[in-house]
Amino acid sequence: TQLLEQSPQFLSIQEGENLTVYCNSSSVFSSLQWYRQEPGEGPVLLVTVVTGGEVKKLKRLTFQFGDARKDSSLHITAAQPGDTGLYLCAGVEGAQKLVFGQGTRLTINP
Amino acid sequence: DAGVIQSPRHEVTEMGQEVTLRCKPISGHDYLFWYRQTMMRGLELLIYFNNNVPIDDSGMPEDRFSAKMPNASFSTLKIQPSEPRDSAVYFCASSRTEPYSNQPQHFGDGTRLSIL
Repeated sequence: TQLLEQSPQFLSIQEGENLTVYCNSSSVFSSLQWYRQEPGEGPVLLVTVVTGGEVKKLKRLTFQFGDARKDSSLHITAAQPGDTGLYLCAGVEGAQKLVFGQGTRLTINP
Repeated sequence: DAGVIQSPRHEVTEMGQEVTLRCKPISGHDYLFWYRQTMMRGLELLIYFNNNVPIDDSGMPEDRFSAKMPNASFSTLKIQPSEPRDSAVYFCASSRTEPYSNQPQHFGDGTRLSIL
């Protein structure tokens, strides 16, 4: 099983600041997904990136897949308290199996 | 549309007891996954099914864990006997096969299991 490492594990910043979360692996994935999880709930898919170098935007969130399809980043512009949560990257193995990173626990302070 | 439904939401039991977690996937989804989430190890895949058939159970910790999917709308994860180290949040997720796209997995809200 391939491994995914996320950094940082914890991040606490003020409202309005920008931040970047990283997801790295030594292995190549066919695609990579980002999920967000709130307390007491299961993870919810934010985006899937498939092509090396691909960039996708979801309002203030920008996701990038590395050229070699081994790493990905999530950049949030002008963070808001509603962005608080656990962000998980997941590499897709085979047809449907996901390998999850440890997650980045993000806190946005008003 | 109803999402993935898990029961119970919380379970507290004593070491050595049998624990059964239940999951109803989204109708029409042909994949079902069981995960375990802890602070130390994050979200780990235990087992997954395709069309009710177990495909990969390499993540099941040991023989104390077993999972079944008797039909397309129901699955169970059983721990017998339970141990304190089994305490975690257990998630069930489902997805469907579609060509040319990566389908998301839809997660239930989890069962928080505490073994005393």
